[in-house]
Amino acid sequence: EPEVTQTPSHQVTQMGQEVILRCVPISNHLYFYWYRQILGQKVEFLVSFYNNEISEKSEIFDDQFSVERPDGSNFTLKIRSTKLEDSAMYFCASSEGTGGGEQYFGPGTRLTVT
Amino acid sequence: QKEVEQNSGPLSVPEGAIASLNCTYSDRGSQSFFWYRQYSGKSPELIMFIYSNGDKEDGRFTAQLNKASQYVSLLIRDSQPSDSATYLCAVHSNYQLIWGAGTKLIIKP
Repeated sequence: EPEVTQTPSHQVTQMGQEVILRCVPISNHLYFYWYRQILGQKVEFLVSFYNNEISEKSEIFDDQFSVERPDGSNFTLKIRSTKLEDSAMYFCASSEGTGGGEQYFGPGTRLTVT
Repeated sequence: QKEVEQNSGPLSVPEGAIASLNCTYSDRGSQSFFWYRQYSGKSPELIMFIYSNGDKEDGRFTAQLNKASQYVSLLIRDSQPSDSATYLCAVHSNYQLIWGAGTKLIIKP
């Protein structure tokens, strides 16, 4: 069964450093998403991406964040100048269509900023 | 501010009984509704989606939608200990999912 994959599973970085989180969406899916979940809190939408551009982004997704689809399979989230409060699980998801999104999630990357 | 509300629980249900999970949402324009299951430390797993008023059944799971009342529910029949998890309600709006905080369900053997 096709699945979304994410690397790395755990990333530790120092405050102020840049990190890149990687995702490989399900191959026939056209819509891609990033979410984050701070420990013990609700899932929060960051950004949606379609046809090589951002469709929607939340207030959280400020200039510190960027997304890219560098090739036909990878979808990346870059976080510049990381802060302690960026520590969270970051989930990538993909969907075939946007009509409702039956969105399928990857296993997540745990980001720890020290 | 579009919101999705769930009772945080925990909801404790005996094994074999029916677990009933509820969710309300604020955006009347929403058309798509989802239930995800999340085990501790894991990612959300899609278990049910519903787009039309009424009931939708899939195995032991039934999703119920009432758009007039802005209410979605999930019933789990013959609850098993493996159903113990946090259940997240999500509502689709403008290319994104709006999430509830989740209800923690505990199935007691």
